[in-house]
Amino acid sequence: TQLLEQSPQFLSIQEGENLTVYCNSSSVFSSLQWYRQEPGEGPVLLVTVVTGGEVKKLKRLTFQFGDARKDSSLHITAAQPGDTGLYLCAGARSNDYKLSFGAGTTVTVRA
Amino acid sequence: SQTIHQWPATLVQPVGSPLSLECTVEGTSNPNLYWYRQAAGRGLQLLFYSVGIGQISSEVPQNLSASRPQDRQFILSSKKLLLSDSGFYLCAWSVLIGAEAFFGQGTRLTVV
Repeated sequence: TQLLEQSPQFLSIQEGENLTVYCNSSSVFSSLQWYRQEPGEGPVLLVTVVTGGEVKKLKRLTFQFGDARKDSSLHITAAQPGDTGLYLCAGARSNDYKLSFGAGTTVTVRA
Repeated sequence: SQTIHQWPATLVQPVGSPLSLECTVEGTSNPNLYWYRQAAGRGLQLLFYSVGIGQISSEVPQNLSASRPQDRQFILSSKKLLLSDSGFYLCAWSVLIGAEAFFGQGTRLTVV
């Protein structure tokens, strides 16, 4: 079983629409990160959240860390075709510190 | 600034042949180093990580091995490749274990 469960697995929306991607776990994480990956390339770090309840904004992207530090969400406002990619959440648990990845959400934004 | 180099970008190897993928990091000292494998369009599976020269931790039993002969060099190897070893291999580094990871460009390995 996956330590971090991401949903949905696939998301296809029209340009200008909003979307939310979820990352859930039964474990507590010392931090959670979000990455975006394009085909044939390595993932690129978008943000790290470390405090329960924390909200971070990166232009049209809003990241939230759950109060209990077990889950996170990524919300994109007015999505653009350039937002297309595989979004991965990753986290390190407090007791082992190894970075584990979710299975990813493939986002497609149609022009 | 720190950079990570991974090569080759693509590789086609016959079953039973050996493998050597190399990764080097520049601009930092004593990085934590990782090898991940990724199935098409999916998440990353941690294969090996290293917190220092000569120290390797293996996450899953498999046909692969890793070595860290120098502080900023990480090598993924196999003596005899299997078809199931095909995939996208990613090298990464971080300052602290479990902290933000910075990835190389990846190697697409196809075993035929």
